[in-house]
Amino acid sequence: SYELTQPPSVSVSPGQTATISCSGDKLGERFASWYQQKPGQSPVLVLFQDNKRPSGIPERFSGSNSGNTATLTISGTQVTDEADYYCQVWDSKFYVFGTGTKVTVL
Amino acid sequence: QVQLVQSGAEVKEPGASVRVSCKASGDAFNRNDFNWVRQATGQGLEWMGWMNPQSGTTGYAQKFQGRVTMTRDTSITTVYMELRGLRSADTATYYCARRYCDNDRCRDAFDIWGQGTMVTVSS
Repeated sequence: SYELTQPPSVSVSPGQTATISCSGDKLGERFASWYQQKPGQSPVLVLFQDNKRPSGIPERFSGSNSGNTATLTISGTQVTDEADYYCQVWDSKFYVFGTGTKVTVL
Repeated sequence: QVQLVQSGAEVKEPGASVRVSCKASGDAFNRNDFNWVRQATGQGLEWMGWMNPQSGTTGYAQKFQGRVTMTRDTSITTVYMELRGLRSADTATYYCARRYCDNDRCRDAFDIWGQGTMVTVSS
């Protein structure tokens, strides 16, 4: 089965750039989506098709996907961006989520 | 405003079944597929399967094949997820989520999520 691996945690200072990786075999040949989940809340879609933002998602969220790694970048990170982040892809018949990354803003 | 409203928390004994409902309001019951995703406390997201509410077509994750059934009632714009043979490892929050479709096409992403339903399996 297809697997997506993310670093368990990323720390960033307010105003700096946070980079979250998502690794999988030939991941660049698929479209990656990213979700933000704050404690006690449902996930929120922040990027789809590698780098497209749904309506209402701030421009500071951007993404890329090439080779075996997709990346979510948060520029000018705000305290409100502190959350868990999950990548996701469609693997021919199944959706797969990444292992998740806790982003701490301090 | 599109919303997905799920049924309330459930407590079940091992071996029992649970059915969770997800009612779609607004324009959420057209061409979009609906998915079910679960999350054990402190753990990651786990995709369970999808259903197209118009055709009734389903697709299930291999892990849940034979144990899960997704159905719908189009008259009340509600989709259901039934999980059988419950065990303690099934204790989790279960989410329904709508596949994102824009003007051009449907994307491999979920744009609207329900509030989650906590299912506890305990004797």
